[in-house]
Amino acid sequence: TQLLEQSPQFLSIQEGENLTVYCNSSSVFSSLQWYRQEPGEGPVLLVTVVTGGEVKKLKRLTFQFGDARKDSSLHITAAQPGDTGLYLCADDRTDSWGKLQFGAGTQVVVTP
Amino acid sequence: NAGVMQNPRHLVRRRGQEARLRCSPVKGHSHVYWYRQLPEEGLKFMVYLQKENIIDESGMPKERFSAEFPKEGPSILRIQQVVRGDSAAYFCASSRVGQGVTQYFGPGTRLTVL
Repeated sequence: TQLLEQSPQFLSIQEGENLTVYCNSSSVFSSLQWYRQEPGEGPVLLVTVVTGGEVKKLKRLTFQFGDARKDSSLHITAAQPGDTGLYLCADDRTDSWGKLQFGAGTQVVVTP
Repeated sequence: NAGVMQNPRHLVRRRGQEARLRCSPVKGHSHVYWYRQLPEEGLKFMVYLQKENIIDESGMPKERFSAEFPKEGPSILRIQQVVRGDSAAYFCASSRVGQGVTQYFGPGTRLTVL
């Protein structure tokens, strides 16, 4: 059974600082998705990465996928209070009919 | 914005009652997934349905839980004889097709069992 581990569990920073959160898998990802979930809402997809070594940018967010496709990081530059949320990584198990397997998440709090 | 709709958003039940959670997928989506999020845990897959078919229910508890996605109307997740351990947020997601395609999540139903 694949295990997805996210670290840290909790991160509190000041507005303007940078942060990085990590997602590691015990086995190779089929494809990795990053989501952000705000309190009281459902997860919203940020990005999907498929190819080892891939780097994707979404405004101030940079997503990296490890060469071996077993780890990923999400880096936020100059964090803003609107970045506050639970960041989840998920593996889209293409051998399991699109069933997503999620990590426990990193709770990020950005204070003004 | 015709996203995934779930109702009710909050549901309170007493132990032993039944809970019915509804999910209307994005228009044009024929695949529905249900996930459960317990406090301090990530989302856990429960069941994957197409219209009138259960494709994968490997994450569903063996007893008291059932799901359906009829030809007409929303998908329903039913929990019979609820217990306090069923208290959680239940999320529905939908997609156009199954394997390897983006899933869009609804806002969830927060179930509290007293």
